[in-house]
Amino acid sequence: GAGVSQSPSNKVTEKGKDVELRCDPISGHTALYWYRQSLGQGLEFLIYFQGNSAPDKSGLPSDRFSAERTGGSVSTLTIQRTQQEDSAVYLCASSQAGTRADTQYFGPGTRLTVL
Amino acid sequence: AQSVTQLDSHVSVSEGTPVLLRCNYSSSYSPSLFWYVQHPNKGLQLLLKYTSAATLVKGINGFEAEFKKSETSFHLTKPSAHMSDAAEYFCVVSGAYGGSQGNLIFGKGTKLSVKP
Repeated sequence: GAGVSQSPSNKVTEKGKDVELRCDPISGHTALYWYRQSLGQGLEFLIYFQGNSAPDKSGLPSDRFSAERTGGSVSTLTIQRTQQEDSAVYLCASSQAGTRADTQYFGPGTRLTVL
Repeated sequence: AQSVTQLDSHVSVSEGTPVLLRCNYSSSYSPSLFWYVQHPNKGLQLLLKYTSAATLVKGINGFEAEFKKSETSFHLTKPSAHMSDAAEYFCVVSGAYGGSQGNLIFGKGTKLSVKP
């Protein structure tokens, strides 16, 4: 079956521009997560959606970062006024119910380069 | 707070010899622990997970890990390395308490090299 998909796979932008990254989770998965992977910081949690509950935004590094999940499915991560330190691979994951025993399935990531 | 420490940033083994990737965790409650693998230019794939059932967990591709509460360890092992095992391995702990998983907290990763 289809896994988690992300688009675009690569994004190059200029400092100060806004970018939108998209994630399509596995159909039927109620939990969706965004992570960031960078050379200096490793893999970091950004934000987590679970069903209709308010998202856990505790990992967002600044108010330039926001995310939404429409209709309990597709999610968009938006970075406003991008900075060079935002350059990283942005990973999306989904899990069936978000319980402790669940497996998180990861997408291939979006590589963001801010010039 | 939960955290994981991967004790080696790089491990190099010869093909056919055992693999040991070390991980220690810190958690204020009984944790869920995972090992993920990332091959070059590929996505993260789950190798195995511990969620308070059997302490010896078997995963894909011949890997296994043992949860040792007394040592707060969750080391990953494989009896015989294969060239295709060359990748980066992440030890991971669930960040949440109770029934929900919440976010995952990743170790810094161990890069495994396999020599022919």
